[in-house]
Amino acid sequence: GDSVTQMEGPVTLSEEAFLTINCTYTATGYPSLFWYVQYPGEGLQLLLKATKADDKGSNKGFEATYRKETTSFHLEKGSVQVSDSAVYFCALSDPNRDDKIIFGKGTRLHILP
Amino acid sequence: EPEVTQTPSHQVTQMGQEVILRCVPISNHLYFYWYRQILGQKVEFLVSFYNNEISEKSEIFDDQFSVERPDGSNFTLKIRSTKLEDSAMYFCASSAPGPSLEQYFGPGTRLTVT
Repeated sequence: GDSVTQMEGPVTLSEEAFLTINCTYTATGYPSLFWYVQYPGEGLQLLLKATKADDKGSNKGFEATYRKETTSFHLEKGSVQVSDSAVYFCALSDPNRDDKIIFGKGTRLHILP
Repeated sequence: EPEVTQTPSHQVTQMGQEVILRCVPISNHLYFYWYRQILGQKVEFLVSFYNNEISEKSEIFDDQFSVERPDGSNFTLKIRSTKLEDSAMYFCASSAPGPSLEQYFGPGTRLTVT
């Protein structure tokens, strides 16, 4: 079945460092891809999405590009802030089949001041 | 901004007891979901609900689980006889009509079965 694999955490970076969180997926169809973020004590929030190959999702300085050839959707940010400390989940959904979201395990990010 | 709310934030129960987890979806949403995350594991889909019936459920969602929309605002998940392995964070989500693809999640209920 469809699945998502993302890099293990926790990831600890200094403020203003460059961030990459790797994510790869396995899917039989043509899924939409997402990054969700969970700040401490809060629910899962959609950070960005891409619905087809080569689309780039972006929000709050974060970006991810839907790469069909490498089945990847890596999350990047050029300069992280302390407020970016959270858990990040890569996910997919195939709306042509059903509407459930399949999540990765999540990567905890700590940003040091 | 409208948000999904869940109560309680933390529920402790003894094995074999029934629990009901409550969610208030965003008011104009028509699709409702439950997911769970066992500590250290993936967030897993449990069930989706539309038009007062289950539209899809996972293999996790066995006869011990049920969902209900008892009134126009609440969406509940009931576990009839809890097991230790039901200990997890349970997330409710809702989405609007149409192909928006965005599910709005609540903050979760942490269920601890002792």
